[in-house]
Amino acid sequence: EMQVVESGGGLVKPGGSLRLSCAAFGFTFTDAWMTWVRQPPGKGLEWVGRVKSKSYGETIDYAPSVKGRFTVSRDDSKFTLYLQMDSLKTEDTAVYYCTTLASGKYGTDVWGQGTTVTVSS
Amino acid sequence: DIVMTQSPLSLPVTPGEPASISCRSSLSLLHSNGLTYLDWYLQKPGQSPQILIYLASNRAAGVPDRFSGIGSGTDFTLKISRVEAEDVGVYYCMQALQTPTFGAGTKVEIK
Repeated sequence: EMQVVESGGGLVKPGGSLRLSCAAFGFTFTDAWMTWVRQPPGKGLEWVGRVKSKSYGETIDYAPSVKGRFTVSRDDSKFTLYLQMDSLKTEDTAVYYCTTLASGKYGTDVWGQGTTVTVSS
Repeated sequence: DIVMTQSPLSLPVTPGEPASISCRSSLSLLHSNGLTYLDWYLQKPGQSPQILIYLASNRAAGVPDRFSGIGSGTDFTLKISRVEAEDVGVYYCMQALQTPTFGAGTKVEIK
């Protein structure tokens, strides 16, 4: 079964840092473009950042709201995606999802259950 | 960034009746490769999102055939031929032509 499992969420003060992890199982992680999507409490989905696969140069893109503060990375040897979040703001409070989004011939997607990040003093 | 505008934001529906959601993009989502990079996701209450329609009109595996996606360029529609109770949730369109952006979401609930 294809799945991803996020971890690392928690409570952090404004200006602080947190590192999220996403472990992948049951699919060819090395071929997948991996994405972070977040959802503030009671609000909609926001695309955060993505790292392409090695065959696409592991190119990384960010949403303007997090560029310069967040860093997406991957370790294909560990089948794991990361999100390093620095200079956190209260508006970064959200559930953070790790996902492949729809991809491949059949539009298959894999989403985790999400990990909650709360930025508060 | 490409801006995605959905309407309506709230949609009360009657089981057995059809329903439709509109999504407009600020830029054409047609790529030079001929594909249109517009996806539809559904987030059911208390769950993570899940794909319904990819590349504007392709139903993802396991998605009931009462769901269909139509449209091209900048105007897209998600149609449900006969709404069922299990279809409640928030529907999002998302463009993947450039760095992805989501629409605001349309909350579908039973009347």
